[in-house]
Amino acid sequence: EAAVTQSPRNKVAVTGGKVTLSCNQTNNHNNMYWYRQDTGHGLRLIHYSYGAGSTEKGDIPDGYKASRPSQENFSLILELATPSQTSVYFCASGSTINNQAPLFGEGTRLSVL
Amino acid sequence: QQQVRQSPQSLTVWEGETAILNCSYEDSTFDYFPWYWQFPRESPALLIAIRPVSNKKEDGRFTIFFNKREKKLSLHITDSQPGDSATYFCAASHSSSNTNKVVFGTGTRLQVLP
Repeated sequence: EAAVTQSPRNKVAVTGGKVTLSCNQTNNHNNMYWYRQDTGHGLRLIHYSYGAGSTEKGDIPDGYKASRPSQENFSLILELATPSQTSVYFCASGSTINNQAPLFGEGTRLSVL
Repeated sequence: QQQVRQSPQSLTVWEGETAILNCSYEDSTFDYFPWYWQFPRESPALLIAIRPVSNKKEDGRFTIFFNKREKKLSLHITDSQPGDSATYFCAASHSSSNTNKVVFGTGTRLQVLP
């Protein structure tokens, strides 16, 4: 069964701390994405990847780094978390080969205090 | 700038009516347009998608109408049901590109009243 799993599901961080959000997919998809969702802004693309070892900047990459060490795993890293990064973060995977639209994980609710 | 725009922000219809959700885009090279719906406290889920080779895609009560010249799409939900109440997102991508960036609109919140 196709799946995208995010961890943690909820996170409270302190301003200036480092936060790592993890994502694992078992769909054998080449593309993976990180979005944040805020009221009034919809889903905004932070970083994406088209394969292991690749990362690309999305529309709002500032303050975020990404890492794709393998086909299955894609991490989002906040080196110095700020309260403005409080949001719900969604990871998704998709396939260029099958042109499959992104399949979303369950989301991570992050609060930066 | 917003590459994909949706309107209205919110829409209320009565059960049985047709809801029409609009979407427009900037980049004429986008060639794949999936629509997602999202229920409260859940993640977005794929509802229906279209490629510009067609100007219409139908799946049950859900139909996408596509106007390539005007760079506009609309999602029509016929015989709307209270269970259709959700936020709907239009998305766009370059499906033929190896770097398949997918961008979303800001969504339309649909409420269907019984």
